[in-house]
Amino acid sequence: KAGVTQTPRYLIKTRGQQVTLSCSPISGHRSVSWYQQTPGQGLQFLFEYFSETQRNKGNFPGRFSGRQFSNSRSEMNVSTLELGDSALYLCASSLSGTTNEKLFFGSGTQLSVL
Amino acid sequence: GQQVMQIPQYQHVQEGEDFTTYCNSSTTLSNIQWYKQRPGGHPVFLIQLVKSGEVKKQKRLTFQFGEAKKNSSLHITATQTTDVGTYFCAGPPGGGADGLTFGKGTHLIIQP
Repeated sequence: KAGVTQTPRYLIKTRGQQVTLSCSPISGHRSVSWYQQTPGQGLQFLFEYFSETQRNKGNFPGRFSGRQFSNSRSEMNVSTLELGDSALYLCASSLSGTTNEKLFFGSGTQLSVL
Repeated sequence: GQQVMQIPQYQHVQEGEDFTTYCNSSTTLSNIQWYKQRPGGHPVFLIQLVKSGEVKKQKRLTFQFGEAKKNSSLHITATQTTDVGTYFCAGPPGGGADGLTFGKGTHLIIQP
């Protein structure tokens, strides 16, 4: 069974631009979560989607948004990029997103903002 | 909000030595999960602990959940170079339901 797929693997953008990242969860998984990973802050929760609805949201500015499609694929968008947005963005999927389920992470998208 | 603290941040060991990382939560946890991230890789689930005082073993890895369900530890016996990576603990969201909360991880560096 295929794992969680994230595209693109690497991105280089300049300040002020916007970016869209894509995540395809494991087949049958309906919950998709997004995390930002930086050396200083570690793994920080962005948001979680289930059945096309955002169920939970972390403490990030409104420039960070996401959506989920009917096939459970998810995208996240960052508008008006800032230097501090440079990070590894990880997507994780699980069956239903309950707190006792393990997360399956994708390989991530490494975003560099210049 | 809920905080999950992990120590140490870095641990250098000689191959064959033991290694332990500790995780402490500001609130009682219904369960705790552990993940490993190899250099350049992504977090991979290792185990979940649910019961107070629970101890689980996976070969050379021993995981414990504290009696008060606010702390946990991961102990590796006789480290090998394949153990290199960052070990994260993670707890379920607090009352604000803000997603699985990860500790900042312990980076294990092994010197041959």
